[in-house]
Amino acid sequence: GAVVSQHPSWVICKSGTSVKIECRSLDFQATTMFWYRQFPKQSLMLMATSNEGSKATYEQGVEKDKFLINHASLTLSTLTVTSAHPEDSSFYICSARVAKAEQYFGPGTRLTVT
Amino acid sequence: KQEVTQIPAALSVPEGENLVLNCSFTDSAIYNLQWFRQDPGKGLTSLLLIQSSQREQTSGRLNASLDKSSGRSTLYIAASQPGDSATYLCAVLNAGGTSYGKLTFGQGTILTVHP
Repeated sequence: GAVVSQHPSWVICKSGTSVKIECRSLDFQATTMFWYRQFPKQSLMLMATSNEGSKATYEQGVEKDKFLINHASLTLSTLTVTSAHPEDSSFYICSARVAKAEQYFGPGTRLTVT
Repeated sequence: KQEVTQIPAALSVPEGENLVLNCSFTDSAIYNLQWFRQDPGKGLTSLLLIQSSQREQTSGRLNASLDKSSGRSTLYIAASQPGDSATYLCAVLNAGGTSYGKLTFGQGTILTVHP
């Protein structure tokens, strides 16, 4: 199947700083990329949907000024957590898809804010 | 609003058993249904995708069925192995409603296969 990568796989940052997470589709061009957040022992919660060259669409309750999403190309999307706080600590997973076909997920990024 | 339910929430079986995981969804307006596997601390691995027009898909020891009209899917795992231990998630790709074009996930079934 197709491969989606994320970088970094884990990151520790201090409260008040910003951190950027990259998501790349390695062997296909994704029309749409998605960002999810997962709390321990829970399922995935969709944060936002992004299409290349256009603004991301955020789910209700997700602060767009805090979670900045940039979809610069058909193979790269980035999530920047601005002014991070301990409550932002979580597992962030991206995924990519072509049209309404199979959706492929990255390996996730573990963010810890101290 | 689409809701996806997975039963059971957890399952523990001895190695070698055949087992069935269940998934139900409330809105039949879907493009497809995917079954995923998630190991602790890892991302999701796609196991099987069933298009809305299909009834089943098979890959190795895995077989997934879909009855769209009744809103049900099952994942059948034959001759289970300890390496099958993981959380299994089903998700539907919505073809209508407020979640159009997005996946709705179930809460998952935690499977433990003991030697």
